[in-house]
Amino acid sequence: GAVVSQHPSWVICKSGTSVKIECRSLDFQATTMFWYRQFPKQSLMLMATSNEGSKATYEQGVEKDKFLINHASLTLSTLTVTSAHPEDSSFYICSALPGTSGYNEQFFGPGTRLTVL
Amino acid sequence: GQNIDQPTEMTATEGAIVQINCTYQTSGFNGLFWYQQHAGEAPTFLSYNVLDGLEEKGRFSSFLSRSKGYSYLLLKELQMKDSASYLCAAMDSNYQLIWGAGTKLIIKP
Repeated sequence: GAVVSQHPSWVICKSGTSVKIECRSLDFQATTMFWYRQFPKQSLMLMATSNEGSKATYEQGVEKDKFLINHASLTLSTLTVTSAHPEDSSFYICSALPGTSGYNEQFFGPGTRLTVL
Repeated sequence: GQNIDQPTEMTATEGAIVQINCTYQTSGFNGLFWYQQHAGEAPTFLSYNVLDGLEEKGRFSSFLSRSKGYSYLLLKELQMKDSASYLCAAMDSNYQLIWGAGTKLIIKP
């Protein structure tokens, strides 16, 4: 149980276009989802915390107008990278926190590798 | 401030034992996680400690000392597939994970 999926697994886009990444909890309801970004050889950087039905909380330095997060249901959160630029190329990972998790474990999606040309 | 420290890289021999240390400072504490991450993949959960002591799970064990702000991950009978980055993460009072930079473990035959 506790499976999180992400779509797409990888995407290549032109500079200036927008890319939407979906994060789904397949067999549980996720009251909270997290979006991370990871550059090569670095650790995960939390971008934002998303709670179902409310606005996302962005970490300092993350532009909320550039990285649009929508947590419309208890099983789906989306991250849209608007007007993507090459410096946005990264590995984007979501995680989900079940509402009834016994020990606060976050379950991670497989990640989405974004390459902006 | 909040901070997690762990070694950048470690090397060990196949079949041996390795201990990866982690020290943390967080605003409040709701547990310490260890994750394994292979290159190009998302992290996978290894262990969770919230009480002092040792938790054993097969070849992997994790230890926590809350008074010292210290944890370690112990890997026994190392296999080549254990070559990966090991991420230490502490959960703060807001239930957010504070991540270490990861320890790259290199296993040699």
